[in-house]
Amino acid sequence: EVQLVESGGGLVKPGGSLRLSCAASGFTFSRYSMNWVRQAPGKGLEWVSSISSGSSYIYYADSLKGRFTISRDNAKNSLYLQMNSLRAEDTAVYYCARAVDTAMVSYDYWGQGTLVTVSS
Amino acid sequence: SYELTQPPSVSVSPGQTARITCSGDALPKKYAYWYQQKSGQAPVLVIYEDNKRPSGIPERFSGSSSGTMATLTISGAQVEDEADYYCYSTDSSGNHRVFGGGTKLTVL
Repeated sequence: EVQLVESGGGLVKPGGSLRLSCAASGFTFSRYSMNWVRQAPGKGLEWVSSISSGSSYIYYADSLKGRFTISRDNAKNSLYLQMNSLRAEDTAVYYCARAVDTAMVSYDYWGQGTLVTVSS
Repeated sequence: SYELTQPPSVSVSPGQTARITCSGDALPKKYAYWYQQKSGQAPVLVIYEDNKRPSGIPERFSGSSSGTMATLTISGAQVEDEADYYCYSTDSSGNHRVFGGGTKLTVL
């Protein structure tokens, strides 16, 4: 059974940092591109970042302005999102999702999300 | 930056056909994908590559695309189809992925 389990969310002060993890199981992690999508409270979905299976291709939303870094460890079946210089507007549920296409837009499995709250 | 535009809400009675549109300048060249999100749950892919339906998605869900507009159609909408629906695609470069603002479908 495919499972994606996010962790690492929590309360952080503005300007702080947080590292999210997504533990994958039930499939050959190294064969799939992975993605982060977030959803602010009561708002719509927002694409954050995508990384190809071998980390050769990495993409970010322009709105992040270089504050976030996506990475993966195929040996550990894990996806990461390092978030720095956090702002109140980064408050959201962060989902990891598996992509099944080369364009990295077709997501067949999602985690249940981890909540990040940026507040003083 | 690239945008996909959806109506904020659509309302139909049970058994009627619901149509949700999504407009974007790159849609003539890029596929549209549709995600359903029920309250408190993670999104679920219901249509990929404009008009393909993943296994397990009911046949009443269909998609089409023409020019700069993609459409999700739910034929014979049911109460359990009440959800937020998001279109998703990339800009013309393929480097940036964008969700539409979402459409709240009410079936009552």
